[in-house]
Amino acid sequence: DMKVTQMPRYLIKRMGENVLLECGQDMSHETMYWYRQDPGLGLQLIYISYDVDSNSEGDIPKGYRVSRKKREHFSLILDSAKTNQTSVYFCASSLPGGAPLFGEGTRLSVL
Amino acid sequence: QQKVQQSPESLIVPEGAMTSLNCTFSDSASQYFAWYRQHSGKAPKALMSIFSNGEKEEGRFTIHLNKASLHFSLHIRDSQPSDSALYLCAVSINSGTYQRFGTGTKLQVVP
Repeated sequence: DMKVTQMPRYLIKRMGENVLLECGQDMSHETMYWYRQDPGLGLQLIYISYDVDSNSEGDIPKGYRVSRKKREHFSLILDSAKTNQTSVYFCASSLPGGAPLFGEGTRLSVL
Repeated sequence: QQKVQQSPESLIVPEGAMTSLNCTFSDSASQYFAWYRQHSGKAPKALMSIFSNGEKEEGRFTIHLNKASLHFSLHIRDSQPSDSALYLCAVSINSGTYQRFGTGTKLQVVP
């Protein structure tokens, strides 16, 4: 069953706390992505990973870092979260050049 | 940097009507064009894609692409209430690069 799984689905953190968002896929896709979605701004790419330890910045990488130690797992880390990082975060995976398959999203609130 | 813009921002149409959604892009080297649909609170899902100028039809949905005008569109024939969703267009330079998304058009189909 082709699926991208995100954990947790909902998260509330205080400003300055560290945040870890996790994403897994069961399709052995080489490419994985982290996007954030805000009203009126669409989906903005934070980071893209082309395979294990092969990560590149997207359009809005500031304040975020990623880790990919296994092909099926991609993490997004917010060190010292800020209130403007309140958003819905989507992970996705794809074959090279293929359409991304998205997870159901993580709704993060930073208070 | 590629700019992708959608119009209108929102749209209300009666059930059974034809719906037309627009997307413009800034980079004339773009090669891959896609539409995604996102129901409220759910993940975006790929709807249709096109590579070459012209049109492509799948069921009630048709994509038109005019590269010279830097424009493509999605047309939904016989719109249904279940079509109510956020529609996102996406563009990439080639099959090996990631897609940039527009800000979305929110469609509501009323019975």
